[in-house]
Amino acid sequence: GAGVSQSPRYKVTKRGQDVALRCDPISGHVSLYWYRQALGQGPEFLTYFNYEAQQDKSGLPNDRFSAERPEGSISTLTIQRTEQRDSAMYRCASSLLSGGRNTGELFFGEGSRLTVL
Amino acid sequence: SQELEQSPQSLIVQEGKNLTINCTSSKTLYGLYWYKQKYGEGLIFLMMLQKGGEEKSHEKITAKLDEKKQQSSLHITASQPSHAGIYLCGGPTGNQGGKLIFGQGTELSVKP
Repeated sequence: GAGVSQSPRYKVTKRGQDVALRCDPISGHVSLYWYRQALGQGPEFLTYFNYEAQQDKSGLPNDRFSAERPEGSISTLTIQRTEQRDSAMYRCASSLLSGGRNTGELFFGEGSRLTVL
Repeated sequence: SQELEQSPQSLIVQEGKNLTINCTSSKTLYGLYWYKQKYGEGLIFLMMLQKGGEEKSHEKITAKLDEKKQQSSLHITASQPSHAGIYLCGGPTGNQGGKLIFGQGTELSVKP
């Protein structure tokens, strides 16, 4: 597609339910990032992939959070047993490699707003 | 851990006025990225600065990175309503370019 596509745009769920957030990056973009943004704050890094390999998951808050990108394109961020504190905007971004290295020139999607009741 | 502090947190200016947003890092930056966010939209990349003393311009927006690579400023000349939004600075952590630490953002409103 022309840009990074995220779905659903809005998700309301009850505490304890599992949710899956999807990200479809720009075609040909090797790198894919997940960030979380609380209201009034800047985005906070969660995890990223180069191709299908998860390179860094140090930002995932706990083991209820997981991400995958099995074919090196679409990625899913899964939150199990959601809690109210998980409510936030979840942003996906993709990018090219520059000289074989990751760059901070990221193309962000519009985000998925998660509300946990 | 590294932190980026932006100032001011919010800014209201009259159309046509100049303004400056600052971004200060607690540690030396390996690079500095400026993004703009509009309500309901994703972040849009504006500029990247890598070298101490570097300055870049795009249309009426100029960004600078100081010699010590711990502070950056974003300057808008003759502001327009289209400049309104949230401006975010981001710095890479170590050598992982896309793993960014962001400031908390500066919300800019431009009054016509």
